[in-house]
Amino acid sequence: QITLKESGPTLVKPTQTLTLTCTFSGFSLSTTGVGVGWIRQPPGKALEWLGLIYWDDDKRYSPSLKSRLTITKDTSKNQVVLTMTNVDPVDTATYYCALVGIAAPDLDAFDIWGHGTMVTVSS
Amino acid sequence: DIVVTQSPDSLAVSLGERATINCKSSQSVLYSSNNKNYLAWYQQKPGQPPKLLIYWASTRESGVPDRFSGSGSGTDFTLTISSLQAEDVAVYYCQQYYITPYSFGQGTKLEIK
Repeated sequence: QITLKESGPTLVKPTQTLTLTCTFSGFSLSTTGVGVGWIRQPPGKALEWLGLIYWDDDKRYSPSLKSRLTITKDTSKNQVVLTMTNVDPVDTATYYCALVGIAAPDLDAFDIWGHGTMVTVSS
Repeated sequence: DIVVTQSPDSLAVSLGERATINCKSSQSVLYSSNNKNYLAWYQQKPGQPPKLLIYWASTRESGVPDRFSGSGSGTDFTLTISSLQAEDVAVYYCQQYYITPYSFGQGTKLEIK
């Protein structure tokens, strides 16, 4: 059974750095074609794609956030980490991690999601 | 970047009736070498993460009821629920995964009339 779970702070102050961890089980991030992505959703709003890290350490980021985002993986710990610098109240959202590529190497739709973690940016 | 636009923003349909949601991408998401459309549909119920319903524009994910179907090619796509059930009340999103950033549509809220 494949699961993903997000963890991190629920409250962050403006200008601080947010670090979220996605801990997964049931698959390996060293399997060809597999990737883990991050998506966020402000309260009552739409989904926003943030970025992806693939099995070969290829990383893709949203251009609008690229200067502030870093995604890394630790295959031995089955974890993917999202770091966002200089947060602002507009970054308040539920942050999800999700899996791509498990059914087919070029299938980059998110087929399994974590439950999400709500992050509030406020002083 | 590819912009994905859904219509309508909200929709109210009677139980047992057909619901249709449209999705348009600003450029084609059809990859000519394999004739696949890199377009997915998700369902999100309140308080839950999104759930993948359809990928490659028309392939149902395992376990998804066959009343859900996807169609379209290139830039224009449709999600159809053939006979609306009460449990289908949700927000539906389309997403292109043809080229990063893999953008989502703005969502369509589906309610019971």
